[in-house]
Amino acid sequence: EVQLVESGGGLVQPGGSLRLSCAVSGFTFSDYWMSWVRQAPGKGLEWVASIKQDGSGTYYVDSVKGRFTISRDNAKNSLYLQMNSLRDEDTAVFYCARENYCFDFWGQGTLVTVSS
Amino acid sequence: DIVMTQSPDSLAVSLGERATINCKSSQSVLYSSNNKNCLAWYQQKPGQPPKLLIYWASTRESGVPDRFSGSGSGTDFTLTISSLQPEDVAVYYCQQYCDIPRTFGHGTKVEIK
Repeated sequence: EVQLVESGGGLVQPGGSLRLSCAVSGFTFSDYWMSWVRQAPGKGLEWVASIKQDGSGTYYVDSVKGRFTISRDNAKNSLYLQMNSLRDEDTAVFYCARENYCFDFWGQGTLVTVSS
Repeated sequence: DIVMTQSPDSLAVSLGERATINCKSSQSVLYSSNNKNCLAWYQQKPGQPPKLLIYWASTRESGVPDRFSGSGSGTDFTLTISSLQPEDVAVYYCQQYCDIPRTFGHGTKVEIK
């Protein structure tokens, strides 16, 4: 059974940092691109970042470039999102998703709240 | 960036009736490698993550009831629920995966009339 479990969310002040993790099981992690997708409270879905199977390529939405870093550890079956210089508008549920062209499996999400 | 525009924003349909959601992309989402459209549909119920329903515009994901169908090509796509059931109340999103950034429509809320 495919499982994606996010962790690391919480309350952080504007300008602060947070590192999200996604633990994966049930498939060969190193075979797939992986992504982060976020959803602000009461809003729609927004793709944040993707990473290739071996980490050789990373891609970001413009609004997080230079602030967020996606990474992975294939030996640990884990995906990460390092978020720096957080802003109020980054408040959202962050989902980890397997990218098999489309996003075919999603985690339950972890809430990040940026507020003073 | 490819902009995805969904319509309507919301719709209310009687149980057993047809629900139709439209999605228009600002440019073609035809994937040249396989001549298919890189368009997916997701269903999201309150408090849950999105669930993949349809990919390559018309291929139903395993386990998805056959009352859900996708159609369209190029820039215009449709998700149809042929006979609305109570469990279909949700927000539905289209998404293109041809290009980066990956982009979603803003969502269509489906309710029971």
